[in-house]
Amino acid sequence: AQKITQTQPGMFVQEKEAVTLDCTYDTSDPSYGLFWYKQPSSGEMIFLIYQGSYDQQNATEGRYSLNFQKARKSANLVISASQLGDSAMYFCAMRAIDSGNTPLVFGKGTRLSVIA
Amino acid sequence: DAGVIQSPRHEVTEMGQEVTLRCKPISGHNSLFWYRQTMMRGLELLIYFNNNVPIDDSGMPEDRFSAKMPNASFSTLKIQPSEPRDSAVYFCASSKTGPPKETQYFGPGTRLLVL
Repeated sequence: AQKITQTQPGMFVQEKEAVTLDCTYDTSDPSYGLFWYKQPSSGEMIFLIYQGSYDQQNATEGRYSLNFQKARKSANLVISASQLGDSAMYFCAMRAIDSGNTPLVFGKGTRLSVIA
Repeated sequence: DAGVIQSPRHEVTEMGQEVTLRCKPISGHNSLFWYRQTMMRGLELLIYFNNNVPIDDSGMPEDRFSAKMPNASFSTLKIQPSEPRDSAVYFCASSKTGPPKETQYFGPGTRLLVL
């Protein structure tokens, strides 16, 4: 079984500052992928970044980076230079990756508010 | 390229009525997932298909829920009879077999309200 825990229901950050959204996970799968999605108030789910369990380097995608600490089972999302448009719900998710296409298991999410 | 298409976008119905949600996955994707999002339970998997075959329906709440995928380009999720506790946003997502980082692409969701 897989479990994702996001302990921060809500976060505030000043515009142009960096912010870290926490995510811890638990799984018995030897190979797994970790994903972050953004859900703005309009409701769509937008894929942000992926980290594989065997990836040696932390993933980066533009202003998004993933602080992956395998021993601690954490996969925190770092957003640099926050923008007002970053205000949204953020979901951490995971799935097994050694058995084809498998479903995502999501955390409860963190609501990020960027303040001007 | 068109993304995942869901219809209707909004549905308001009365308790006891049948509700049918529709999904058209991205062309070439061979996996389709139905998720439900509520405030209490968050995002949870209902059922998923690989190559039109249901693989895991353990997330389907009860017999009132059923899902079909008659072909690679269409899936339905049916609730009969509907109940107020079924009110939620229902997402369809699709993906294709590929490298592990291959993500799932979500449709815009159907917002269901059962009165």
